[in-house]
Amino acid sequence: DAKTTQPNSMESNEEEPVHLPCNHSTISGTDYIHWYRQLPSQGPEYVIHGLTSNVNNRMASLAIAEDRKSSTLILHRATLRDAAVYYCILRDERDSNYQLIWGAGTKLIIKP
Amino acid sequence: ETGVTQTPRHLVMGMTNKKSLKCEQHLGHNAMYWYKQSAKKPLELMFVYNFKEQTENNSVPSRFSPECPNSSHLFLHLHTLQPEDSALYLCASSRDRAVFEAFFGQGTRLTVV
Repeated sequence: DAKTTQPNSMESNEEEPVHLPCNHSTISGTDYIHWYRQLPSQGPEYVIHGLTSNVNNRMASLAIAEDRKSSTLILHRATLRDAAVYYCILRDERDSNYQLIWGAGTKLIIKP
Repeated sequence: ETGVTQTPRHLVMGMTNKKSLKCEQHLGHNAMYWYKQSAKKPLELMFVYNFKEQTENNSVPSRFSPECPNSSHLFLHLHTLQPEDSALYLCASSRDRAVFEAFFGQGTRLTVV
């Protein structure tokens, strides 16, 4: 299974953009990149996913490098409610089990 | 509110007890999952049900027994657990196994004493 590497933690100021990096140098052509986040005392929450092109939704943007060996989750204007652990996960669409292999994630700390 | 409800939120049980965790979703989803989240470890997928059929058992010990009586309900029956089974147990659902977006409950914090 292709693995991802994320920083253990990051800090950002409230109302500023946040760029959360993820490295996945062994990604295969059929791996989709998923992002979930887990707020304190909550279950994980889907954020966004993509394959090759950059993606935007109401929560965030996903920027995928041209070689797909890295990606960045962008929160355009962080609020205190965005403080969470952010998980970057690959899922191989050839895998009939469609399993998500979770890592340790990045703990995002938002400073007021 | 994700639409996935887990009860109880907290559970303390002795090693000889039998208890059950309950998960309920009314999102019309056909796939349901049990995950285990231990301190300082990544989320681990335990069981998967798709259209009420168990499709995945990730080498989970038999002291954990899942049940899916219908597409809206999922149970995890627990018996003779060990202290190392103390963890946050999360239920999730998705429209089907292939979709990208899964919805998680808030979890049951289990402590085995």
